[in-house]
Amino acid sequence: AQKITQTQPGMFVQEKEAVTLDCTYDTSDQSYGLFWYKQPSSGEMIFLIYQGSYDEQNATEGRYSLNFQKARKSANLVISASQLGDSAMYFCAMREGTGGSYIPTFGRGTSLIVHP
Amino acid sequence: DSGVTQTPKHLITATGQRVTLRCSPRSGDLSVYWYQQSLDQGLQFLIQYYNGEERAKGNILERFSAQQFPDLHSELNLSSLELGDSALYFCASSGVGRNTEAFFGQGTRLTVV
Repeated sequence: AQKITQTQPGMFVQEKEAVTLDCTYDTSDQSYGLFWYKQPSSGEMIFLIYQGSYDEQNATEGRYSLNFQKARKSANLVISASQLGDSAMYFCAMREGTGGSYIPTFGRGTSLIVHP
Repeated sequence: DSGVTQTPKHLITATGQRVTLRCSPRSGDLSVYWYQQSLDQGLQFLIQYYNGEERAKGNILERFSAQQFPDLHSELNLSSLELGDSALYFCASSGVGRNTEAFFGQGTRLTVV
């Protein structure tokens, strides 16, 4: 079974609009971390935002916020006021586990295109 | 700049050859992870090292091996290369714990011809 599911292969948004990228996860652990990364066409993986499973407040980092709904096991990324430079692949990831490995597991990604 | 350094950035080699990819983790990070990213498979976890010792294995082929040295840099060795090994190979490093982010290097784009 997939640990991280990103159901939107591609998303389009108008510049300056907000967009939500979906992510659901599967874990039986009580303690875990959820992360979002951005991969522009140049290829590097850029860390955007983190949410801990025990955090009661949704994480925010500038224009990025994470809509964390623990009961639904969802961790959607919201990008406000989209910019052309936001066009990229976005990956949701989770760290959980035992034995100290805490291997980051990634979804298949969502391709976001921002239109002018 | 993530603080993780990978070399080389690009590598073109022939089938059957062997290559070594190098990774220097962020200062202070003891965990190193290797990932393979191909178009059809997404980001696949290959192997993790922690403070010089292998900690976890993922979908790593027997033709591939890795190690982490006392100075914590890591190398991924790919041998008997096949066309299907062409991919972007990432190294990531992190601190201890599930609540710390992993930082990625720029990746090595391997093309097998």
